[in-house]
Amino acid sequence: NAGVTQTPKFRVLKTGQSMTLLCAQDMNHEYMYWYRQDPGMGLRLIHYSVGEGTTAKGEVPDGYNVSRLKKQNFLLGLESAAPSQTSVYFCASRGLRAEQYFGPGTRLTVT
Amino acid sequence: AQTVTQSQPEMSVQEAETVTLSCTYDTSESDYYLFWYKQPPSRQMILVIRQEAYKQQNATENRFSVNFQKAAKSFSLKISDSQLGDAAMYFCAYRSAWGKGGGADGLTFGKGTHLIIQP
Repeated sequence: NAGVTQTPKFRVLKTGQSMTLLCAQDMNHEYMYWYRQDPGMGLRLIHYSVGEGTTAKGEVPDGYNVSRLKKQNFLLGLESAAPSQTSVYFCASRGLRAEQYFGPGTRLTVT
Repeated sequence: AQTVTQSQPEMSVQEAETVTLSCTYDTSESDYYLFWYKQPPSRQMILVIRQEAYKQQNATENRFSVNFQKAAKSFSLKISDSQLGDAAMYFCAYRSAWGKGGGADGLTFGKGTHLIIQP
């Protein structure tokens, strides 16, 4: 039981490049989330999904797109990366008692 | 919108002593959940403790306990018998039970408290 996994762990992009972050969970959870964490800040919600084929915007959705084609996977895309998107990205899924289980994070640097 | 405030950017405690981390939140809702998460240098977010607002009894998990004061909108974390492995960032988080997401809302986090354990 791996819980929540994220790929990749680190990435460096140049401004304007695109990439996709992959999140996978093996706990059969319906709800999944993407957050970003900036220095001196708590995590902020980017997008979330309540089930396969559904997505919704969170607090800071601009510049990101998401897809949930399979229940166990939640993808976060950056179409044209900007330096302001340099951050650590966390994926999470929600358990039956409202708690969220987090992946190990992806450190993204945009130069 | 809900906000979560952690007023102590950094706290220091001697090993084996007790420390309390503060958290206050602002909400107009009556049904919600509160959490404390630990983030060690590995950056993994680890759930420490969970509290349901409708439960008056304070949650406890081994050496970790909370003081939940609903009227005061306060949710502090007490760590007893502090250990070196407790050194980490601690985040307080809030989640509406229903919210605009119909119960699917994400967590709202405070900015965190950096806990240092002195050997």
